[in-house]
Amino acid sequence: GAGVSQTPSNKVTEKGKYVELRCDPISGHTALYWYRQSLGQGPEFLIYFQGTGAADDSGLPNDRFFAVRPEGSVSTLKIQRTERGDSAVYLCASSLSSWAAEAFFGQGTRLTVV
Amino acid sequence: GIQVEQSPPDLILQEGANSTLRCNFSDSVNNLQWFHQNPWGQLINLFYIPSGTKQNGRLSATTVATERYSLLYISSSQTTDSGVYFCAVTQGGSEKLVFGKGTKLTVNP
Repeated sequence: GAGVSQTPSNKVTEKGKYVELRCDPISGHTALYWYRQSLGQGPEFLIYFQGTGAADDSGLPNDRFFAVRPEGSVSTLKIQRTERGDSAVYLCASSLSSWAAEAFFGQGTRLTVV
Repeated sequence: GIQVEQSPPDLILQEGANSTLRCNFSDSVNNLQWFHQNPWGQLINLFYIPSGTKQNGRLSATTVATERYSLLYISSSQTTDSGVYFCAVTQGGSEKLVFGKGTKLTVNP
């Protein structure tokens, strides 16, 4: 596609439920990133994929968070046993390669845990 | 890790005014990007500028890597320029962008 696409745009879930957030990167981009943005803050890094493998997952806050990219294109961020503190905008980005490349962001998924 | 500081945190302008936004970073960087986050939350790429100067219409940016800062200039501001401007960098062998806290710009008609 023309840009990075994220679905859904909004997700409301109950505390304790499982959610999946999807990211479709720009076609041909091998690097994919997930970030989380809380109100009034800059985006914070969660995980980075180069191809199918997670090259850096140092930003995942705990083991309730997991992400996959099985075919090196679409990625899914999975959150188990959601907590109210997980409420935020989850942003996905992709870049043509990895090292020092320009990153392009999707419109984000606003997750609200009630 | 690297620290990214943006100033000012808030800026209010009248339409037609010029402004300068600053980004300081604490270590050498491989990549520096400026983004505009619009009221709908979309991060829009403004400049990819690890060093040097670039211009795009009313916007221009300069990064002085040796002195660890970057400047974003907005001339003849318009109400559509309102939003939050972020500076983000990568350093060393890391691929993750580290963002500043942003400058919130409000342009009044």
